[in-house]
Amino acid sequence: NAGVTQTPKFRVLKTGQSMTLLCAQDMNHEYMYWYRQDPGMGLRLIHYSVGEGTTAKGEVPDGYNVSRLKKQNFLLGLESAAPSQTSVYFCASTDVDTQTQYFGPGTRLLVL
Amino acid sequence: LAKTTQPISMDSYEGQEVNITCSHNNIATNDYITWYQQFPSQGPRFIIQGYKTKVTNEVASLFIPADRKSSTLSLPRVSLSDTAVYYCLVAVSGTYKYIFGTGTRLKVLA
Repeated sequence: NAGVTQTPKFRVLKTGQSMTLLCAQDMNHEYMYWYRQDPGMGLRLIHYSVGEGTTAKGEVPDGYNVSRLKKQNFLLGLESAAPSQTSVYFCASTDVDTQTQYFGPGTRLLVL
Repeated sequence: LAKTTQPISMDSYEGQEVNITCSHNNIATNDYITWYQQFPSQGPRFIIQGYKTKVTNEVASLFIPADRKSSTLSLPRVSLSDTAVYYCLVAVSGTYKYIFGTGTRLKVLA
């Protein structure tokens, strides 16, 4: 049982480049989330999804887009990366019955 | 929405019991309280969850008073490997919102 997986683990981008982060979960959870965590800080919600085909903005959505075409996958896109988006990105899925979040290992992104 | 507040940091020695308190003054009736542990370069990991009174599992206990405006995570006999950041998370029942606290950086000393 893999739980929540994220790819890639690490990426370096130049300012203005684009990329997509992939999150996959095998627990059949409806709710999925993307967070970012800056050094020494807590997690901040970027976007979330409450089901296949639905997405919504979180606390810090600017500069990011998401898609949930399949229940098990949640994609986070950066159309034009900026140095301010240098961070560690965590994906999570939620067991609605227990209200417990399960987190992936994170993607470390460096934008030069 | 409930907002959580925790101490920024705590130090302890190996073998001691550590108690970390989280304030959530505006917690709604149906909110659960969940605690997570995070090591550097890793995602948060579930420790324990409760709604009221006391919950205990193999790694921790969670105490929630009757007014539910705070909760206390208790780690018995900590070891060096318990050095981590601990987050109190309030799940707002019926919504997508999961409000992370500021996190408490626990350092266990030998």
